Amino acid sequence: ETGVTQSPTHLIKTRGQQVTLRCSSQSGHNTVSWYQQALGQGPQFIFQYYREEENGRGNFPPRFSGLQFPNYSSELNVNALELDDSALYLCASSLPSRLYNEQFFGPGTRLTVL
Amino acid sequence: KQEVTQIPAALSVPEGENLVLNCSFTDSAIYNLQWFRQDPGKGLTSLLLIQSSQREQTSGRLNASLDKSSGRSTLYIAASQPGDSATYLCAALDSGSARQLTFGSGTQLTVLP
Repeated sequence: ETGVTQSPTHLIKTRGQQVTLRCSSQSGHNTVSWYQQALGQGPQFIFQYYREEENGRGNFPPRFSGLQFPNYSSELNVNALELDDSALYLCASSLPSRLYNEQFFGPGTRLTVL
Repeated sequence: KQEVTQIPAALSVPEGENLVLNCSFTDSAIYNLQWFRQDPGKGLTSLLLIQSSQREQTSGRLNASLDKSSGRSTLYIAASQPGDSATYLCAALDSGSARQLTFGSGTQLTVLP
């Protein structure tokens, strides 16, 4: 069973640029959730995709957007980067029909905005 | 809106000690509660998941309990080892359609040899 993978591992951007982060879900999982973790804090829910549709969104502005593809992999796009967007971005995959609905996390992408 | 709090924020103990990490949540309408471990700069490793209908789960030296009525969960670590040093996060999965996790800020544990 292949785990959740994310790319790239690290990324450095400047303020105002745009960035795309990628996530491959665990084999068989049809739901991907994205989280932002600032230094010293717990992860914050950005949004979730279920079968290629957005299925819930946290308190993040519209410049945070996403996609899910037919193979259930996903992208997180952030436009007009701000310094406060510097964080670890985590994706998690799950299969809601399973009894426990456990979310499995990838290793994260560390984004630094200068 | 669900809020999750973890106390203490940091804990330092000598090797071999048993310890308890605390987690509280404001909305008892949760689907499950997960405990995670995070090493510095790394992703999250799931340790234990407790369904809303369960009271506790055990894995090796770890035992997690859940009391929905009081909005509390605890993670008990027996016979702590230096390799247990990490940040421990609890997260409540809501019972809505999005099934989003709400995390606490974590407890940073240091086990001294």
